[in-house]
Amino acid sequence: SAVISQKPSRDICQRGTSLTIQCQVDSQVTMMFWYRQQPGQSLTLIATANQGSEATYESGFVIDKFPISRPNLTFSTLTVSNMSPEDSSIYLCSVGDGLGTEAFFGQGTRLTVV
Amino acid sequence: AQSVSQHNHHVILSEAASLELGCNYSYGGTVNLFWYVQYPGQHLQLLLKYFSGDPLVKGIKGFEAEFIKSKFSFNLRKPSVQWSDTAEYFCAVNARRNNDMRFGAGTRLTVKP
Repeated sequence: SAVISQKPSRDICQRGTSLTIQCQVDSQVTMMFWYRQQPGQSLTLIATANQGSEATYESGFVIDKFPISRPNLTFSTLTVSNMSPEDSSIYLCSVGDGLGTEAFFGQGTRLTVV
Repeated sequence: AQSVSQHNHHVILSEAASLELGCNYSYGGTVNLFWYVQYPGQHLQLLLKYFSGDPLVKGIKGFEAEFIKSKFSFNLRKPSVQWSDTAEYFCAVNARRNNDMRFGAGTRLTVKP
């Protein structure tokens, strides 16, 4: 299994500002993903963080709004840019085991935009 | 594209009642199937998973799920629920060797003591 640490665990931000969320894994992993869980809703995949190349975004998510970095196999960041109250959500980092048989999740970052 | 449907948005049961939560998926290839649970204020935890072999899989806390390939279903069951089972339950699917999970909308289970 993988242990995932996310920082910050929660934050309250002013609209128009940006927040960068960090995800650190205790072992090297091939697959890293970022999800969003809006209040009372399910998880939606934002993007796959690719090491050494640009992230792969899902429909409805764009790099200008959610820039992602993946400098190595144990670390990734997600930035929520130019925030609005609609961005209030829990953002989760996830890693895969490379076989598709399990995914591990961080504890999430609870973001509130005021 | 992969999609996952959970039929029940909110289920309310009394303790000791039996539980079955429906999950259907849409995907043409070989998939892995999962049930996750999210207790109030906590992060996602894996309940059980299926990727091959016996289609009846047993997970933690007395939960089990049955994979029925012909129906594209992976329903979650528990013979006797407890108050502590109150949580949100998510069905998820991914393609083999590809860990980007697709989640269902979730089912909120409330168990009355």
